[in-house]
Amino acid sequence: DARVTQTPRHKVTEMGQEVTMRCQPILGHNTVFWYRQTMMQGLELLAYFRNRAPLDDSGMPKDRFSAEMPDATLATLKIQPSEPRDSAVYFCASGRVGLAGYNEQFFGPGTRLTVL
Amino acid sequence: QQQVKQSPQSLIVQKGGISIINCAYENTAFDYFPWYQQFPGKGPALLIAIRPDVSEKKEGRFTISFNKSAKQFSLHIMDSQPGDSATYFCAASDTSNTGKLIFGQGTTLQVKP
Repeated sequence: DARVTQTPRHKVTEMGQEVTMRCQPILGHNTVFWYRQTMMQGLELLAYFRNRAPLDDSGMPKDRFSAEMPDATLATLKIQPSEPRDSAVYFCASGRVGLAGYNEQFFGPGTRLTVL
Repeated sequence: QQQVKQSPQSLIVQKGGISIINCAYENTAFDYFPWYQQFPGKGPALLIAIRPDVSEKKEGRFTISFNKSAKQFSLHIMDSQPGDSATYFCAASDTSNTGKLIFGQGTTLQVKP
């Protein structure tokens, strides 16, 4: 049963610390998405990779957030320095874009981040 | 123009009733409309999806109705069950562009026994 995995599942940190979240997409998927979910904003797209290349990171605060795909089996989202307003659940999703551009996204279980 | 507006924000339905959630969009380039279901503590999961070349798609108790001229689509859950209690998100995508999904704000559904 192929699944998107995310680590850690929970993270509590203090303001100013660096946070790194990791995602393993489903094998064979060529798209990876990072979302942030809060009660107020709902699901916000932070970054989008296709074939490991960043396609869209317009939703990401550039001064403190960065997203990378060092290889096809790993995507990372870093926050440095973290702030209390970054507290949220961060989801990674992966999918496979075919010729028609169809893109079902499979979500991981999320990382619940609390910044004190 | 990239927004997808979803309503209601929350919904309470009796067991056996029909749950209806509505979404509206502006971008006529959108050509893929999925619905995702999210249980507490879990990531969203694809429930059902439709393309604009059909007006309705049914999978079990779940039906999407699509009105292209009105730029609206809705999710109907027939014979709602307590196990359907979850948050539902509509979404839309222009698959000829980046293919990214634009999500609605979500609807929290509670089905009372």
